[in-house]
Amino acid sequence: KAGVTQTPRYLIKTRGQQVTLSCSPISGHRSVSWYQQTPGQGLQFLFEYFSETQRNKGNFPGRFSGRQFSNSRSEMNVSTLELGDSALYLCASSRGRTGGRETQYFGPGTRLLVL
Amino acid sequence: AQSVTQPDIHITVSEGASLELRCNYSYGATPYLFWYVQSPGQGLQLLLKYFSGDTLVQGIKGFEAEFKRSQSSFNLRKPSVHWSDAAEYFCAVGATAAGNKLTFGGGTRVLVKP
Repeated sequence: KAGVTQTPRYLIKTRGQQVTLSCSPISGHRSVSWYQQTPGQGLQFLFEYFSETQRNKGNFPGRFSGRQFSNSRSEMNVSTLELGDSALYLCASSRGRTGGRETQYFGPGTRLLVL
Repeated sequence: AQSVTQPDIHITVSEGASLELRCNYSYGATPYLFWYVQSPGQGLQLLLKYFSGDTLVQGIKGFEAEFKRSQSSFNLRKPSVHWSDAAEYFCAVGATAAGNKLTFGGGTRVLVKP
């Protein structure tokens, strides 16, 4: 079974631009979660999508948004980029059961550099 | 709200020696606990997980972890470290509210000396 894939793997943008990252989950998985990883803040939960609906949201500004398509693929968008948005963005997929009793499988990440 | 603490930021261990990484969690309900490993420039790979039952869980790559409710801990161990174990290790707790959210500790970077 193919794992979680993320595209692109690397991205360079300038302040003020916007960016869209893509994530394809493991086949059969209906939940996609996004995490931001930075040296200063560590791994932080952004949001989770299940059946095309945002089911859970972390503490990030509205510039961070996402969506999920009917095939469970997900995109994450960051508008008006700031230097502090430079990070590794990780996508994780799971079957979608609630209650925390789920194993999330991570993709390789997209490394975003904002200049 | 849940939280996870990994007290050791860096650990250096000699190849062949044993390794123990500490993890303490704070969570009001039944914790679902995970250990992930991240090699440089890579995503996170699941090592093992605890949901319920036997408090000693076995994982991949020869790792094991023990859940101790009284100490709110979920420490990761390996009897004999290999050079390929050099990586960053993350402990995480899964939320039991609607949806799935992992809260991670700050990570422990392991350096293996030859």
